[in-house]
Amino acid sequence: RKEVEQDPGPFNVPEGATVAFNCTYSNSASQSFFWYRQDCRKEPKLLMSVYSSGNEDGRFTAQLNRASQYISLLIRDSKLSDSATYLCVVNGGNYGQNFVFGPGTRLSVLP
Amino acid sequence: DVKVTQSSRYLVKRTGEKVFLECVQDMDHENMFWYRQDPGLGLRLIYFSYDVKMKEKGDIPEGYSVSREKKERFSLILESASTNQTSMYLCASSSIYASGGNTEAFFGQGTRLTVV
Repeated sequence: RKEVEQDPGPFNVPEGATVAFNCTYSNSASQSFFWYRQDCRKEPKLLMSVYSSGNEDGRFTAQLNRASQYISLLIRDSKLSDSATYLCVVNGGNYGQNFVFGPGTRLSVLP
Repeated sequence: DVKVTQSSRYLVKRTGEKVFLECVQDMDHENMFWYRQDPGLGLRLIYFSYDVKMKEKGDIPEGYSVSREKKERFSLILESASTNQTSMYLCASSSIYASGGNTEAFFGQGTRLTVV
């Protein structure tokens, strides 16, 4: 079993749609959780950290369920500019050293 | 604005050449990482360093070495480049101290290396 698994994708959605990404992780000792966004041929960039209480940033909402070892990302009112690959990332190291990246889910928002 | 800078965006090298990829960060981060990213395989850790002169092997260290002589600089060395090392190489850094406890990774812009 892979350490971090994500929906295989790709997701093709119309503008304005709501889309949800799911992620599961196997290391119950993981301490930090993130969603990164990666545009084609560019580096990954932090979209948002994920906190136990859940957090929201504009159209983006992230949820964490430690008991189920499950992370989600919800994008509301999708824009063309949201088209990218979304990476689920967990970190289990004591000093932030053990980043484990999911394979990513590609999103295409269509006009 | 925090920054991780890789020395080259694109690089073409010949089989057997020694290749140096340089990475510099200006955030005084303790941790630095080298990853490679290939289609269908995601990001795979080659080496990381948690302090000057300290290094740890990642998942795929074979064929690579690293050097960290200064805190801000982490170099990846391909001792004898081979065609199967053609890939996108990404450097990242992170702090061991983070507000809120979340130690995010900051990435450089990547180096696309082609070995011919």
